Amino acid sequence: GAGVSQSPRYKVAKRGQDVALRCDPISGHVSLFWYQQALGQGPEFLTYFQNEAQLDKSGLPSDRFFAERPEGSVSTLKIQRTQQEDSAVYLCASSSQGGDQPQHFGDGTRLSIL
Amino acid sequence: AQSVTQPDIHITVSEGASLELRCNYSYGATPYLFWYVQSPGQGLQLLLKYFSGDTLVQGIKGFEAEFKRSQSSFNLRKPSVHWSDAAEYFCAVGPLMDSNYQLIWGAGTKLIIKP
Repeated sequence: GAGVSQSPRYKVAKRGQDVALRCDPISGHVSLFWYQQALGQGPEFLTYFQNEAQLDKSGLPSDRFFAERPEGSVSTLKIQRTQQEDSAVYLCASSSQGGDQPQHFGDGTRLSIL
Repeated sequence: AQSVTQPDIHITVSEGASLELRCNYSYGATPYLFWYVQSPGQGLQLLLKYFSGDTLVQGIKGFEAEFKRSQSSFNLRKPSVHWSDAAEYFCAVGPLMDSNYQLIWGAGTKLIIKP
């Protein structure tokens, strides 16, 4: 499809397990964002890539969170040693370069930590 | 500090009635302004955006928004809502800085439609 694709849509993991969330952006989009969205809240910025370069990771809540985009296309958000407070929806968005370019969102991955 | 405020957590309107969702921002310059809609279990969909020029912008699904610099507001309106408009609406402003196109997001307003 032409939109941003995220997988899996739902992930359930036990506390302490590692998880990996995938984002396939719109082809040709330079910018890629990861957000965390708690229930009833707006998106909270996690990290931003321009092509393969991670230009801002100031929103990552701890060193257990790691994101990569090695070839400037698909991105993976990895969470190590998951905790219950990591339960949230993780949204990926991509856009063409430029602050005036709208972000296009995937449907998100709902992560539940038991 | 840069911020976005959506004062209404929930709004309930009757089907066919008019709608206005409020958004106020604090930003150092003229921002880029966006309204997104999120249906349950879905990602966010862009409704409309403002960058410059005409302060009244038209979006998809019959929505419009007006940028008022003097009030630092960018309120979303629709003359007649449909049951399918029930969703959560988010206002966003940006970019946070020239080198990072990060947006600042409001907490959202949940729209409930009465039959």
